[in-house]
Amino acid sequence: QKEVEQDPGPLSVPEGAIVSLNCTYSNSAFQYFMWYRQYSRKGPELLMYTYSSGNKEDGRFTAQVDKSSKYISLFIRDSQPSDSATYLCAMSDNAGGTSYGKLTFGQGTILTVHP
Amino acid sequence: DTGVSQNPRHKITKRGQNVTFRCDPISEHNRLYWYRQTLGQGPEFLTYFQNEAQLEKSRLLSDRFSAERPKGSFSTLEIQRTEQGDSAMYLCASSRGTAGTNEQYFGPGTRLTVT
Repeated sequence: QKEVEQDPGPLSVPEGAIVSLNCTYSNSAFQYFMWYRQYSRKGPELLMYTYSSGNKEDGRFTAQVDKSSKYISLFIRDSQPSDSATYLCAMSDNAGGTSYGKLTFGQGTILTVHP
Repeated sequence: DTGVSQNPRHKITKRGQNVTFRCDPISEHNRLYWYRQTLGQGPEFLTYFQNEAQLEKSRLLSDRFSAERPKGSFSTLEIQRTEQGDSAMYLCASSRGTAGTNEQYFGPGTRLTVT
């Protein structure tokens, strides 16, 4: 079983929809949680970054972390065709520890927002 | 800040040849990571540098792979005697290394095709 599980989709929604993307993980040492957006043949772009449990909002994006359930989510409100991309969750334990902050990624969810 | 840059962006090589990739991190970022991403998967950790010291290597990094970061600035990743299984996107990421944070910013990647 992988340390981080993410439904690969694909997910197709109409413009304006609310999108929910999720990951589950098994390593209770994970403390830093990130969401990256990756367009085809490009490098991942950091979207959201949270530490420990809680919510974080940035414009149309909201990230949620529930460490007790080992579950993280990304919500996209008022989705746009330009949001069409692969969304990757990533996480790490204490960056000062022996893992040196290496990220463990989910498989990525392919999202298409159609006009 | 200018972002993380990687060169070349694409490399096509014949099996058995050696290849070298370069990564220039964001200036003043003392942590540098290499990841590998294959089609339909999330990136996987390869190796980590703190300044010029290589502190961790994944078991994915066989003896044919070597990485350096002279003077703690740019980094190179060399693959000797390439195999078709080495075909992938090679991604570099950097982070500031501030205690209590782990935001990693990725470059555009180098896409390697081994024929």
